[in-house]
Amino acid sequence: ETGVTQTPRHLVMGMTNKKSLKCEQHLGHNAMYWYKQSAKKPLELMFVYSLEERVENNSVPSRFSPECPNSSHLFLHLHTLQPEDSALYLCASSQGRGQGYEQYFGPGTRLTVT
Amino acid sequence: QQQVKQSPQSLIVQKGGISIINCAYENTAFDYFPWYQQFPGKGPALLIAIRPDVSEKKEGRFTISFNKSAKQFSLHIMDSQPGDSATYFCAASMDAGNMLTFGGGTRLMVKP
Repeated sequence: ETGVTQTPRHLVMGMTNKKSLKCEQHLGHNAMYWYKQSAKKPLELMFVYSLEERVENNSVPSRFSPECPNSSHLFLHLHTLQPEDSALYLCASSQGRGQGYEQYFGPGTRLTVT
Repeated sequence: QQQVKQSPQSLIVQKGGISIINCAYENTAFDYFPWYQQFPGKGPALLIAIRPDVSEKKEGRFTISFNKSAKQFSLHIMDSQPGDSATYFCAASMDAGNMLTFGGGTRLMVKP
């Protein structure tokens, strides 16, 4: 595997379920990100991790819980989601956090909340 | 509040034509303006980026034009090809960190 991988690629869950999204980067990067891509809104940054420490939380509801156990893996734990949370969730990574460090995106997980 | 406004939402161009996508920003602290290209089923990929110390940057068929006083920047795709059909996003960020604010996206279709 190369680049940034995400699993699963598609997920359907009920509002009472608990599920997790997984992201893995094979680029040796130190920063990882979660974004939400909705049909009717611009791409929204959710969380930023740098060297496994959360450095940004962009006012995301607590039903989304990120976890970064090491610099290669990032999880997004989901519980009691709402239908409006249905979206494409994108993971990205970069070598560092300053400008000039390109963010590499994974293919995303298409989440549908029923 | 949307800090980066992108237009048009969709664009159809004939093969060989010029595709033009525009973005306007509000935050004068933004000083890095990348464009991303996204194909169906893929994540966005960096296409080209510009800083406000230059008014234009060209890479192959892709050119960014930047107007600091108007707080606008645009992407021009010369000699557009069917393989350029994708969704294009402009973005902006400030010097600290790497937090990108994205525009709403433009779905480009290049007809053969």
